[in-house]
Amino acid sequence: DQQVKQNSPSLSVQEGRISILNCDYTNSMFDYFLWYKKYPAEGPTFLISISSIKDKNEDGRFTVFLNKSAKHLSLHIVPSQPGDSAVYFCAASKRSGSEKLVFGKGTKLTVNP
Amino acid sequence: SQTIHQWPATLVQPVGSPLSLECTVEGTSNPNLYWYRQAAGRGLQLLFYSVGIGQISSEVPQNLSASRPQDRQFILSSKKLLLSDSGFYLCAWSRVSEQFFGPGTRLTVL
Repeated sequence: DQQVKQNSPSLSVQEGRISILNCDYTNSMFDYFLWYKKYPAEGPTFLISISSIKDKNEDGRFTVFLNKSAKHLSLHIVPSQPGDSAVYFCAASKRSGSEKLVFGKGTKLTVNP
Repeated sequence: SQTIHQWPATLVQPVGSPLSLECTVEGTSNPNLYWYRQAAGRGLQLLFYSVGIGQISSEVPQNLSASRPQDRQFILSSKKLLLSDSGFYLCAWSRVSEQFFGPGTRLTVL
């Protein structure tokens, strides 16, 4: 039973355009959501997070949107750059619990020059 | 600032051999520690987590074990490796909700 789903294994966009990465979750107890970026043969790096009390969080070119009713979140990257090419993982947790994160399977983003 | 170290970076081991991967964290105290595995074409699977010295929780039944002999040291072990143990192993630490990952160990079991 996959509690966090990233249904698109890959996404390709043109440099300068917007990249939209999607994530769905099934567990209504999740109240904290994170996005990680991972290059090959490296550990994931934390990108941005959002608490369930918000519906939007922005950090530079990265914005995360949360739709609690739909149990859906998305990561927007504007403008996309070739250096953004990586695998992006969505993760969720019950913040009041043991802080275990449940990860999606990732979406490989390719930004073409 | 906090840093997390993992070694070795890469490892090639024969089936049936033992395994020991080490992870250490600097610059923080009493962190929660985690071991993950990323198998080819799959996401990050949580293997073990620890909230303190000697406290280990296993998430999935498997051929591996974990130990936390010191506050900032987390060890992943196996007595006899299987082919299916091949993968990219990641250690992570957290204090609040964000987890921070080490550089990973690429394990190939032949």
